[in-house]
Amino acid sequence: QVQLQESGPGLVKPSETLSLTCTVSGGSINGYYWSWVRQPPGKGLEYIGNIYYTGGTNYNPALRSRVAISLDRSRNQFSLKLSSLTAADTAVYYCARREERGFDPWGQGTLVTVSS
Amino acid sequence: EVVLTQSPGTLSLSPGERATLSCRASQSVRSNYLAWYQQKFGQAPRLLIYGASGRATGIPDRFSGSASGTDFTLTISRLEPEDFAVYYCQQYDNWTFGQGTKVEIK
Repeated sequence: QVQLQESGPGLVKPSETLSLTCTVSGGSINGYYWSWVRQPPGKGLEYIGNIYYTGGTNYNPALRSRVAISLDRSRNQFSLKLSSLTAADTAVYYCARREERGFDPWGQGTLVTVSS
Repeated sequence: EVVLTQSPGTLSLSPGERATLSCRASQSVRSNYLAWYQQKFGQAPRLLIYGASGRATGIPDRFSGSASGTDFTLTISRLEPEDFAVYYCQQYDNWTFGQGTKVEIK
């Protein structure tokens, strides 16, 4: 059974770059799309972007100028970088596998707070 | 860009009652490529319905989805205590989500 686990710093300063990694276990990263979604405290879900196992990416237009998603097939991991952070980027960040049916499964999520 | 609007914002019901949640798309959704997710407090979302009406693996049959044009509906036939949660719809065109419907205990 495929499981995903996010990792990265829980606190980042304004104007800096957030870096998160999602480790995929119980299955291969090959053959699938892999996604990032975030959720500000008390608010709804926001799609950030996804990456195909061959490296092609798709980003939310609202975040495109600040986002980069990459993957490391040898480590079965994919990563998110979000630059020029502000308090509005404070959120729980989820990684998920994107299938034709939807996003399944999801990681448990990691809270990132942007504060000095 | 397809925008999804969910209604109502909050649904107050009792266990055993029927819940009907709506998701309206601003334009046609390709091949009914719409999913529903359930999110309980402090947990990650879980895929419930895909392709507007297909149940994901392990989802009880009290959950059902339907589509009519740009209107999509998630129905929970008889609410169980574990069904009180927030529900989101998502379309596969640009992968955006609706704003969510909270199903709370009345």
